[in-house]
Amino acid sequence: GNSVTQMEGPVTLSEEAFLTINCTYTATGYPSLFWYVQYPGEGLQLLLKATKADDKGSNKGFEATYRKETTSFHLEKGSVQVSDSAVYFCALSEGYGGATNKLIFGTGTLLAVQP
Amino acid sequence: DAGITQSPRHKVTETGTPVTLRCHQTENHRYMYWYRQDPGHGLRLIHYSYGVKDTDKGEVSDGYSVSRSKTEDFLLTLESATSSQTSVYFCAISESQGGNQPQHFGDGTRLSIL
Repeated sequence: GNSVTQMEGPVTLSEEAFLTINCTYTATGYPSLFWYVQYPGEGLQLLLKATKADDKGSNKGFEATYRKETTSFHLEKGSVQVSDSAVYFCALSEGYGGATNKLIFGTGTLLAVQP
Repeated sequence: DAGITQSPRHKVTETGTPVTLRCHQTENHRYMYWYRQDPGHGLRLIHYSYGVKDTDKGEVSDGYSVSRSKTEDFLLTLESATSSQTSVYFCAISESQGGNQPQHFGDGTRLSIL
């Protein structure tokens, strides 16, 4: 079945450091891929998405490229801020034309950015 | 922000008691979902709805039931709560069934079963 694997946390960085959070997936067909972010005490917010191979999703300085050849969707940011401290979830759905858009989530990666 | 309200936000109850969590949306979206969030598991789908009175099971549906009598409300019921159901529960909505459509989440309900 479909699954998502993301790197274990916590990831601790200093402000302005470069961020990479790895995400790989297993899926049949052509899934859509998402990154969600969860700030303390809140629900998940969509950060970015990509719906087909080689698409790059971007938002708030974060980027991720849908790599079908490596089944990956790694999250990157060039310069993190303290306010980026949160839990980041990689997720996939069946993709356009699928019967539903049920999401399969990774286990989440806690990012802590220190001033 | 999507208009999603979960109630209650926090609840503590005892093993064996019934519990109902409510998700209310003001977006008129057709699809609604209930997830639970546990350390080491991310979010897992419990049940979902694709219309009024149309529901189906997710990955971890045992011990849970749902109902949707109106577009805006999706209820999750634990008929007889157990300690293993202690978790944070999230409701989500989406506008269409297309897999490229994102889901929007409520702020969650923290449920503790003693």
